Amino acid sequence: DQQVKQNSPSLSVQEGRISILNCDYTNSMFDYFLWYKKYPAEGPTFLISISSIKDKNEDGRFTVFLNKSAKHLSLHIVPSQPGDSAVYFCAANPNRDYGGATNKLIFGTGTLLAVQP
Amino acid sequence: DAMVIQNPRYQVTQFGKPVTLSCSQTLNHNVMYWYQQKSSQAPKLLFHYYDKDFNNEADTPDNFQSRRPNTSFCFLDIRSPGLGDAAMYLCATRTRNTDTQYFGPGTRLTVL
Repeated sequence: DQQVKQNSPSLSVQEGRISILNCDYTNSMFDYFLWYKKYPAEGPTFLISISSIKDKNEDGRFTVFLNKSAKHLSLHIVPSQPGDSAVYFCAANPNRDYGGATNKLIFGTGTLLAVQP
Repeated sequence: DAMVIQNPRYQVTQFGKPVTLSCSQTLNHNVMYWYQQKSSQAPKLLFHYYDKDFNNEADTPDNFQSRRPNTSFCFLDIRSPGLGDAAMYLCATRTRNTDTQYFGPGTRLTVL
């Protein structure tokens, strides 16, 4: 059973507009979340993260919002650019031991974002 | 540039013929992970090394083994590949006290 869910397989947005990518998780004990971006023929690259002690984290055009009561997070990209076209993965750390041996990530299935010029 | 390198990028093997995938890193990270990703699915963790300590996921088939001879290198051995093992295999690393994992470009495995 998927513990991290990205229910939209794809999203198409016009250049300059906002892209909103959504992610839901099932376990309220999850307390650290990351977004990765993946271009074809490349590995995922880290984009932005958020801890459960925050409800928002911003880095340039990218903002992640966390709603713990709803077990939902979203990634906002403003303004969207054609170079943002990629697959975006949401990931959660289910057993955060602060960098220790059991620290690992559970990924969602990804959302393919297409930004149209 | 410091990075995670995977060789080969594309690997074709025959059903039942052992195959080894390679991962190396110049980041000097002490943790290395192997993931399997099938089309339109989430990357699935197979196992990881924390330094020399091997941590196997409970649902990783025995057909999959790993070796880490030193900090820089980690290998994924598939002893008898089946058609269902065709996938992208991703290697990732991280350092202590962080959650962020750094991924290699992956190896696409085809089983004929």
